[in-house]
Amino acid sequence: GEDVEQSLFLSVREGDSSVINCTYTDSSSTYLYWYKQEPGAGLQLLTYIFSNMDMKQDQRLTVLLNKKDKHLSLRIADTQTGDSAIYFCAERGQAGTALIFGKGTTLSVSS
Amino acid sequence: GAGVSQTPSNKVTEKGKYVELRCDPISGHTALYWYRQSLGQGPEFLIYFQGTGAADDSGLPNDRFFAVRPEGSVSTLKIQRTERGDSAVYLCASSPRVSGELFFGEGSRLTVL
Repeated sequence: GEDVEQSLFLSVREGDSSVINCTYTDSSSTYLYWYKQEPGAGLQLLTYIFSNMDMKQDQRLTVLLNKKDKHLSLRIADTQTGDSAIYFCAERGQAGTALIFGKGTTLSVSS
Repeated sequence: GAGVSQTPSNKVTEKGKYVELRCDPISGHTALYWYRQSLGQGPEFLIYFQGTGAADDSGLPNDRFFAVRPEGSVSTLKIQRTERGDSAVYLCASSPRVSGELFFGEGSRLTVL
C-alpha cells in the first residue's frame, strides 16, 4: 500500500539551512505536500509540488522532487526559532483520493 | 468563519460511551476530510466526502465509526461504544475541490478513560 517515510528529528542552529527528507511509495502520486504543525495548532500548508516538476522555490522554502527515487525534500533557508515545529510530508495519489501523511519530522532550532 | 471550525476542542468520555464530533468547513468547500492523529504519529485518513456522499470511507477502522454530511456542509463524526484506543486528536479538513489543497481545523482531542 501507500507509505510515506520521514526522519523523526532534526536539530539546527538559527541561521543555518534545514533539510527535511521524505520518501514515498506510490508511483502514481500527483501532488506532494509539506505541512507544518505548531504545538496545539492545526496543520498549515507550507507548499506543494506537482509530480511533473523537480523543483519549486517559495521565499525561504525550496522543494526538490526526485520522482525516479520517490524522494522529496524541503529546504528552509536561514532557519529561525519560529520555524520550530513538526513538518509533515504528504502525497496524493490519483485524483479524488485523500492525502497520505508521513509521521512528521520535529525540527528544533536553537539560538 | 474564515477557517475550518471543530467542536468540541476537547472531549473526555468513559469507555463504552457514544461521542459526536462536529466539523464546520470553509464556506463553499465541497470536499471534507476526517483524519485521526495519535501522539507522535502523522494524520491517518478516515473518510472523505464530496458533497453529501462519502466518496471514500476506507480509513474507518471498524463499524463503531460513522460520519455524515447531510446537507453537504457541516459533518459529524460519530463513535459508538468508545474504547481507550480511540483516544486521539480528530482532525477535519476541507478543500474547494476534490484535488485541491486541504485546509485543516485545530482538531477535537478525544480522551477515553
